Amino acid sequence: NAGVTQTPKFQVLKTGQSMTLQCAQDMNHEYMSWYRQDPGMGLRLIHYSVGAGITDQGEVPNGYNVSRSTTEDFPLRLLSAAPSQTSVYFCASSYSIGRDREDYGYTFGSGTRLTVV
Amino acid sequence: RKEVEQDPGPFNVPEGATVAFNCTYSNSASQSFFWYRQDCRKEPKLLMSVYSSGNEDGRFTAQLNRASQYISLLIRDSKLSDSATYLCVVNPYNNNDMRFGAGTRLTVKP
Repeated sequence: NAGVTQTPKFQVLKTGQSMTLQCAQDMNHEYMSWYRQDPGMGLRLIHYSVGAGITDQGEVPNGYNVSRSTTEDFPLRLLSAAPSQTSVYFCASSYSIGRDREDYGYTFGSGTRLTVV
Repeated sequence: RKEVEQDPGPFNVPEGATVAFNCTYSNSASQSFFWYRQDCRKEPKLLMSVYSSGNEDGRFTAQLNRASQYISLLIRDSKLSDSATYLCVVNPYNNNDMRFGAGTRLTVKP
C-alpha cells in the first residue's frame, strides 16, 4: 500500500517555465488537495477536489491549475513559474467527511521541493 | 487574525520533561481538530484527533476548550524522538478543508 505518491521530489525551474507535479493515491480517497508550505506561514491550500471531475480553488490558487480525471490522480500544473512559487508542495488525500467516518485526517505525500530561479 | 494560531517556539526541553502546546482558532463553528507531527524536511503525519471530551494516546494528551476556542497537546516523559514540529489543524467549515497552524517546534535534549 503506497499511500500518496508525489513526483518529482526536487525540481529547479527557470522563470517562465511550466511543469506538472504528479500526485497519486491508492487508498480510494475521494478528497485530494495541494498545499504549499513556506517558512513561518504554515500549509496553505492551493486547489482541492472532492471527487473525479470536480475541482475548486483554495486559498492561493493563482498561477496553478489542477484536474481530476480519475479518483487516483490529482496533478498540479504550474503555468509560468515565478520565483514566488519557490516552496515545498504537498499533496494530501482523505476520505470525504460525508462518509461519516472519524478517520478523515489527511495522508500526505512526501513533498516536492521546487526552486524557481 | 489568523484562523489557527500557534506559539512557534522553539521549545527546548530535557528528556523526561512534560511539555504543553496550545493552539487557538478563530471560527467558533469549527467541528474537527487534529494534531499533526512534522519531522524536518518530511511530510506532516497525523498524530491524533482531538475529541470534545479530551483524549489520550500513550504519553500524548489532547484537549479541546470550545468556550475559549483553543486546543492543547500535552507530552509527558519527553523522548529525543519527540523532537519535531507540531501542527495544529482545524476544520472550520465541516468539510475536508483543513486549516493549519504554522507549527510549534519542539527540541528534546539529552
